[in-house]
Amino acid sequence: DGGITQSPKYLFRKEGQNVTLSCEQNLNHDAMYWYRQDPGQGLRLIYYSQIVNDFQKGDIAEGYSVSREKKESFPLTVTSAQKNPTAFYLCASSFDRASGTDTQYFGPGTRLTVL
Amino acid sequence: QKEVEQDPGPLSVPEGAIVSLNCTYSNSAFQYFMWYRQYSRKGPELLMYTYSSGNKEDGRFTAQVDKSSKYISLFIRDSQPSDSATYLCAMDSGGYQKVTFGIGTKLQVIP
Repeated sequence: DGGITQSPKYLFRKEGQNVTLSCEQNLNHDAMYWYRQDPGQGLRLIYYSQIVNDFQKGDIAEGYSVSREKKESFPLTVTSAQKNPTAFYLCASSFDRASGTDTQYFGPGTRLTVL
Repeated sequence: QKEVEQDPGPLSVPEGAIVSLNCTYSNSAFQYFMWYRQYSRKGPELLMYTYSSGNKEDGRFTAQVDKSSKYISLFIRDSQPSDSATYLCAMDSGGYQKVTFGIGTKLQVIP
C-alpha cells in the first residue's frame, strides 16, 4: 500500500525545545517537500529536496532544518529559533521534475502546538 | 498582487447543486494546473490535473483552464455532503519552479 506517512499526528512542544517531524514515502518519488499551513494563509513552502543529500530553502525556512539521507525519508526539525511554530505541517512528494509536472502528493499532516 | 487568487468562501450549497470553484492567476508561464481536496485536519488529496488550456472530466468533477483569461475552474455536479471540504487550486510552470497554491475555498454541501 503506497503512500506518504507522517508522524506523529499531534505534537506538543514547550518553548525552547526542538522537535522533529517524521515523513516517509514508499512511492519511489525523488522529490520531497515540507509545507506549513496556517488558517487564512494557505500552504507555505519550508524546504524541499529533489535528490538524496541535497535540499533547498523554501519561502519560510528560518527556524527549521531538514535532512535527506535516504530517498524515502525527509524529517523536519522545528528549532527553538522558530518564533511561531504552532501550525499544521504537511509533507509531500513527487516524481523527478525532469519527467514533467511537479504533481505533489501529500501526507496526512502533523499538528504542532507550542505550550 | 498574489500570483494566485482564490476566494476563501465559505460557499454553502444545497445537496444536488452544481458547484463552481475558481482561481485566477497572474503568471502567464503557468501551464500545469491542479485541484486538491482537503478535509478538515487531513492532508490535501489530488483531484484533478490539467496541462495547458481545455477541459478534463472525471466522474462528477470537471476542470477547466482558460489560459487567455488566466482563469481556472472546478465544477462539481450533483454535489454531495461528502464533498464538503476545502478545495485548493495549484499551478506550476514546469521545469524546476515551485508549485504555487491558492488559499483554498471552503465548501459546505447542505443535505
